[in-house]
Amino acid sequence: TQLLEQSPQFLSIQEGENLTVYCNSSSVFSSLQWYRQEPGEGPVLLVTVVTGGEVKKLKRLTFQFGDARKDSSLHITAAQPGDTGLYLCAGGGYNFNKFYFGSGTKLNVKP
Amino acid sequence: DAGITQSPRYKITETGRQVTLMCHQTWSHSYMFWYRQDLGHGLRLIYYSAAADITDKGEVPDGYVVSRSKTENFPLTLESATRSQTSVYFCASSEPNTGELFFGEGSRLTVL
Repeated sequence: TQLLEQSPQFLSIQEGENLTVYCNSSSVFSSLQWYRQEPGEGPVLLVTVVTGGEVKKLKRLTFQFGDARKDSSLHITAAQPGDTGLYLCAGGGYNFNKFYFGSGTKLNVKP
Repeated sequence: DAGITQSPRYKITETGRQVTLMCHQTWSHSYMFWYRQDLGHGLRLIYYSAAADITDKGEVPDGYVVSRSKTENFPLTLESATRSQTSVYFCASSEPNTGELFFGEGSRLTVL
């Protein structure tokens, strides 16, 4: 059983559309990270959130950590083909150790 | 170059054989991890290590053995490979202040 559940699993949209990816758990995490992975490569960190209710923006990407620190969302505005990839959330414990990953959301942005 | 390197990148073996995947990092990060990635499961933690000579189990440790005699190396051994261990294996180390995970390029293992 996956500790973190992501939805949707797959998302195929047109360039310019907005989208939201969700990451949910029944467990509380001290920190939550979002990674993006491209084919044949390891995941690369996008953001880390550590405070319940925290919102972080990275250009067209907005990340939110739930108040109870059990869930998170990633919102992309005006998606571009370069956003295509596998998005993974990861929940971490105290002192940033032992991160558990969600099942991932595969995003395809069509030109 | 600084970074985290895995070897081999590709490996085909047979059921019952022993396989060792190597991982080397040049940052002197304390924490190192082994994950496996399968379709529909994201990344699942196999083992992790907080420092040399300190290792602990993750979500899916059965059938795997790790060691960490030096800070920079964290090999993963499949003592008797099974078909269910066919997967892509990622090694990672983490930056202590931010928890950012730095991943290697992965080792694709096929067990026939």
